[in-house]
Amino acid sequence: KQEVTQIPAALSVPEGENLVLNCSFTDSAIYNLQWFRQDPGKGLTSLLLIQSSQREQTSGRLNASLDKSSGRSTLYIAASQPGDSATYLCAPGGSNYKLTFGKGTLLTVNP
Amino acid sequence: DAGITQSPRYKITETGRQVTLMCHQTWSHSYMFWYRQDLGHGLRLIYYSAAADITDKGEVPDGYVVSRSKTENFPLTLESATRSQTSVYFCAVQGMGEQYFGPGTRLTVT
Repeated sequence: KQEVTQIPAALSVPEGENLVLNCSFTDSAIYNLQWFRQDPGKGLTSLLLIQSSQREQTSGRLNASLDKSSGRSTLYIAASQPGDSATYLCAPGGSNYKLTFGKGTLLTVNP
Repeated sequence: DAGITQSPRYKITETGRQVTLMCHQTWSHSYMFWYRQDLGHGLRLIYYSAAADITDKGEVPDGYVVSRSKTENFPLTLESATRSQTSVYFCAVQGMGEQYFGPGTRLTVT
């Protein structure tokens, strides 16, 4: 059974700081990995999708890396802004596109 | 361009009642999913469907029933609601690469 751990559970940073969110998973037999953002009381917004054959993916100030063999992914956020405050979820994808989620990292960016 | 709609968005029901949560996609993607989100557990897969009339259990299927007679719809039924089924329920659709999530249904069982 896939287990996903996200570290740290919560992070508070001043505006403008670069930061890294970590995700580890126990079963390396994944097809892809998605990073999501969730605002309080809202649904999930997909940020980045990395296929199992890729090492990293970039979108704007976000960069996600994947080391499938070691069961790790990181989400790098450059020049953080207060609008980045949210919970970030990591979800490796297995057979039949089933996602397994970590409990998330709650990010607060202070003005 | 709603993509995925869920109804109702909020529901309060009593223990023992039957409740059906609806999920509709405006595309025609094959795979659809139901997840529940609870504090301390994160999101967990309840059931999924690979196509119309093809469904399978996820991690936490007990107490739930699904059906999929049309590609666009994937209803989730709680046959006899229990307090432990108080949760936020998310429907999701597998796109060409990413999985997309609906806005969620907040269900309270009293």
